[in-house]
Amino acid sequence: DQQVKQNSPSLSVQEGRISILNCDYTNSMFDYFLWYKKYPAEGPTFLISISSIKDKNEDGRFTVFLNKSAKHLSLHIVPSQPGDSAVYFCAASGNSGGSNYKLTFGKGTLLTVNP
Amino acid sequence: SQTIHQWPATLVQPVGSPLSLECTVEGTSNPNLYWYRQAAGRGLQLLFYSVGIGQISSEVPQNLSASRPQDRQFILSSKKLLLSDSGFYLCAWRGHYEQYFGPGTRLTVT
Repeated sequence: DQQVKQNSPSLSVQEGRISILNCDYTNSMFDYFLWYKKYPAEGPTFLISISSIKDKNEDGRFTVFLNKSAKHLSLHIVPSQPGDSAVYFCAASGNSGGSNYKLTFGKGTLLTVNP
Repeated sequence: SQTIHQWPATLVQPVGSPLSLECTVEGTSNPNLYWYRQAAGRGLQLLFYSVGIGQISSEVPQNLSASRPQDRQFILSSKKLLLSDSGFYLCAWRGHYEQYFGPGTRLTVT
């Protein structure tokens, strides 16, 4: 049972335009959500996160939106740059305050930003 | 600042051989540590996590095991590798709400 779903395996965007990556979740107990960026043969890099008490968090070119009623979150990258080309993983946690804290990841979306 | 190391970076092992992957963290004490695997075309699958020395929780039943002999050391092992064990193995430590990943080990079982 996949609790975090990234239904688009890939996305292609022109440089300078907006990239929108989507993520859906099924577990209503999730209370913290994160986005990671991964280049081939490297470990994922933390990008941005959002608590379930918020609906938006912004950090430079990256903005994450959370719609709890729809169990949906999205990552917006504006403007997109060729260096943003990577696999993006959505992750969620249902025990952000506990010691047995763990993340559930989606399968990832490959973003390609074309010059 | 905190740093996480993994070795080896790449490994090619025959089926049935043993495995030992090591992860060490610097710059933090008593971190939560995690082992993940990314199989080809798949997401990140949590294998084990540890909240302290000698404390291991297994997420997926398989022929792998983990140990935490020291506060900042986390080891992934197998007595006999299977072809299905091939993948990219990642170690991570917990910050506040985020997890920070090491560079990974590419394991190919032949």
